Amino acid sequence: RKEVEQDPGPFNVPEGATVAFNCTYSNSASQSFFWYRQDCRKEPKLLMSVYSSGNEDGRFTAQLNRASQYISLLIRDSKLSDSATYLCVVNIYGGGSQGNLIFGKGTKLSVKP
Amino acid sequence: DGGITQSPKYLFRKEGQNVTLSCEQNLNHDAMYWYRQDPGQGLRLIYYSQIVNDFQKGDIAEGYSVSREKKESFPLTVTSAQKNPTAFYLCASSLSGTTDNEQFFGPGTRLTVL
Repeated sequence: RKEVEQDPGPFNVPEGATVAFNCTYSNSASQSFFWYRQDCRKEPKLLMSVYSSGNEDGRFTAQLNRASQYISLLIRDSKLSDSATYLCVVNIYGGGSQGNLIFGKGTKLSVKP
Repeated sequence: DGGITQSPKYLFRKEGQNVTLSCEQNLNHDAMYWYRQDPGQGLRLIYYSQIVNDFQKGDIAEGYSVSREKKESFPLTVTSAQKNPTAFYLCASSLSGTTDNEQFFGPGTRLTVL
């Protein structure tokens, strides 16, 4: 069964806060993992890929736990401009057909002054 | 500037009519995709094409048709057979159809059936 689950939120946090989003996936054959950001009524844009060793890009850190089939995104020092919906994306089969990307429903973040 | 364009941004259709959504990219990408997004839902794949003159059904292809006659163009037709066509339609492309290529999205078309 193809499924990617996320807490829909909304997460309402003050500027400067640290916030973490979690995502679980049900298919152990999943090979690639991504976080996309989608602003209200706009298209999704790639935020970062998620690697097995974990990876960091400025204030953003992504972690992958294959044993628990769990992905996380940590945002430090939240900015007003971080307000958006964050989509967890999983490639089920990997290594070939890109047509197997599965998108979570997204977690909405609202950063307040 | 390189990118993906979709037109129109908003589209209204009467029940029983077919309508075609445009998607063009000048990124020289081989692979292109069509998704549908409903409120509070994740993106669902309608059709995808990894190369010119070839395309495959996604998870929700019923009531839709596509063509890929040119590398830069991947139009989507929403037919009258689609029972609930009102949605936000997103086109995407990637360098190739392999796993780790980032998908770039167009700005989307909001289709409303009256």
